[in-house]
Amino acid sequence: QSVLTQPPSASGTPGQRVTISCSGITSNIRSNFVYWYQQLPGTAPKLLIYKNNQRPSGVPDRFSGSKSGASASLAISGLRSEDEADYYCAAWDDSLSVWVFGGGTTLTVL
Amino acid sequence: QVQLQQSGPGLVQPSQTLSLTCAISGDSVSSNSASWNWIRQSPSRGLEWLGRTYYRSKWHNDFAVSLKGRITINPDTSKNQFSLHLNSVTPEDTAVYYCTRSRDGYIDYWGQGTLVTVSS
Repeated sequence: QSVLTQPPSASGTPGQRVTISCSGITSNIRSNFVYWYQQLPGTAPKLLIYKNNQRPSGVPDRFSGSKSGASASLAISGLRSEDEADYYCAAWDDSLSVWVFGGGTTLTVL
Repeated sequence: QVQLQQSGPGLVQPSQTLSLTCAISGDSVSSNSASWNWIRQSPSRGLEWLGRTYYRSKWHNDFAVSLKGRITINPDTSKNQFSLHLNSVTPEDTAVYYCTRSRDGYIDYWGQGTLVTVSS
């Protein structure tokens, strides 16, 4: 059972905007930055969003992140078939002194 | 560009020691601004951070409490790599293991992953 809570699945049609939520508590999301990773089938996770809402170079601006209190969201606009993947949120937990992750959300492009 | 190349056996017998190595290119294991982590992923446990090693005037290690006593992470400055050793493994330790880098407080680069199965 993962420390951060994500919906197990999400879906949308090409061109649509979808959001994925990530819920935590004071010791992790409320107190620290949130990060998002994209994992394509059979590959390692790839950094998608860092420090709540920053995109590494090479990540399209269709991807955006936000945080409010102990929750965070990843938004994907202009959905494309290549966005089909698993998405994970992560944060440092001050009480556990570990990185904690969400259980992952599988995004399907219909 | 940082690259992390993992190596190690994919099958370990119960009660034995799981050992993996991560070779670093594009950065240094002795960097004063990076940390080197091991993370595993399994269907039952999801993504689980195991521990890290890092150099800040001297070497430091942090481990997940659930694994303390079973885990060591060692840097090898001569080969610019770091290793994971997890002893007394059980089938519950079966997972894909990743080495990763943290810099500026977050995990940015991941190795390719190694599926390790604990079975006799």
